[in-house]
Amino acid sequence: EVQVVESGGGLVQPGGSLRLSCAASGFTFSDHYMDWVRQAPGKGLEWVGRSRNKANSYTTEYAASVKGRFTISRDDSNNSLFLQMNILKPEDTAVYYCARVTGTFFYETSGYYDHYYYMDVWGKGTTVTVSS
Amino acid sequence: DIQMTQSPSSLSASVGDRVTITCRASQSISSYLNWYQQKSGKAPRLLIYGASSLQSGVPSRFSGSGSGTDFTLTISSLQPEDFATYYCQQSYRTPPYTFGQGTKLEIK
Repeated sequence: EVQVVESGGGLVQPGGSLRLSCAASGFTFSDHYMDWVRQAPGKGLEWVGRSRNKANSYTTEYAASVKGRFTISRDDSNNSLFLQMNILKPEDTAVYYCARVTGTFFYETSGYYDHYYYMDVWGKGTTVTVSS
Repeated sequence: DIQMTQSPSSLSASVGDRVTITCRASQSISSYLNWYQQKSGKAPRLLIYGASSLQSGVPSRFSGSGSGTDFTLTISSLQPEDFATYYCQQSYRTPPYTFGQGTKLEIK
């Protein structure tokens, strides 16, 4: 079964740190980009960041709201994705989802080509609460 | 950053109705547009990618259209299990890959 499972959430004080993990199974983890998405209580979805695969030099991208505080890393040998969260703020309180990113190649008759990227496998999420 | 605006924010409809949700991007994103469904307390589920490609396993009553800045998600005949919140997301070139604010579809 293709799945991703998040863990590591909990209650942390403002200014503290937390490390989330995402365990992948049922697919070739090393081939895929992986994203983190969060959802604050009663709010919509917010893209947090992306880890690209080895073929794309393991580059990472972040939302402005977390850049410089959060770090995404991965361990392909253990099919795992991580989100290190530092200098946590109350506004970081959310359910954090790990999601597999799949790219579908397309080609247009004009000669233009690219990939559509989308999150096709999601975990159930892990809850992070930042409060004193 | 590209802003995504969905309309309406909420919608009441009946089983069997045809429903359309709109998503507008603040600049052209070609067809780099995904749609997700989220039920209360659950993870999102991919419905549509590339503006109009149906994800495997998603019922054919769901369809997507549009290109550039204006996109629509259509449910041709609402089923009881379709009552949920729907999000569009742009995946155009550089991050952040922003979501719309969501459209909550409720039973009339």
